Amino acid sequence: QVHLLQSGAEVKKPGASVKVSCKASGYTFTTYYIHWVRQAPGQGLEWVGVINPSDGTTDYAQKFQGRVTMTRDTSTSTVYTDLSSLRSEDTAVYYCGRSAGAYSYLDYWGQGTLVTVSS
Amino acid sequence: SYELTQPLSVSVALGQTARMTCGGNNIERKNVHWYQQRPGQAPVLVIYRDTNRPSGIPERFSGSNSGNTATLTISRAQAGDEADYYCQVWDSSAVVFGGGTKLTVL
Repeated sequence: QVHLLQSGAEVKKPGASVKVSCKASGYTFTTYYIHWVRQAPGQGLEWVGVINPSDGTTDYAQKFQGRVTMTRDTSTSTVYTDLSSLRSEDTAVYYCGRSAGAYSYLDYWGQGTLVTVSS
Repeated sequence: SYELTQPLSVSVALGQTARMTCGGNNIERKNVHWYQQRPGQAPVLVIYRDTNRPSGIPERFSGSNSGNTATLTISRAQAGDEADYYCQVWDSSAVVFGGGTKLTVL
């Protein structure tokens, strides 16, 4: 069965960077896109960006351009998202999710990773 | 940028029909997807491409899309349906989510 397993919670200081991972299993890794979506405490869902694990191409939400980098390791079926210059507003649960096409719906989601930014 | 508007909250009596709307300019021209998120859990896809149910989602969940409004309908509402519901579309190569609707089952 399809499973997206995310790394554990992180606590970072303002200005630092954080790297969250999402390990896929139960399907062919390179045939589905992986998205990152975040949710601040008590708030709605916010799209961060997407990576095509087949060739590593990425597309980021304009808000995060220059601060986010998504990469993948096909040998371990893992996608990473690196967010730099962290500020308190980046405190959120970060989810990875899978889609079959570049402009499609997210049919499976990871369990979420809480990133806390605090001095 | 494209905006999706959802009511903050909707209430429904147990066993009755709940309807949650998602407003957007000419949204009927887009594929609308819906997610259910229970407290402390990851979102779950309940409707894709306006009207389609993934396997495992009860037939009580249905969707429609016309004009400037897409609608998620839950018939015979149960206590377990109490959750936040988000609509989603693609626009200009970006995923757009609505602000979410909290469904309360009375």
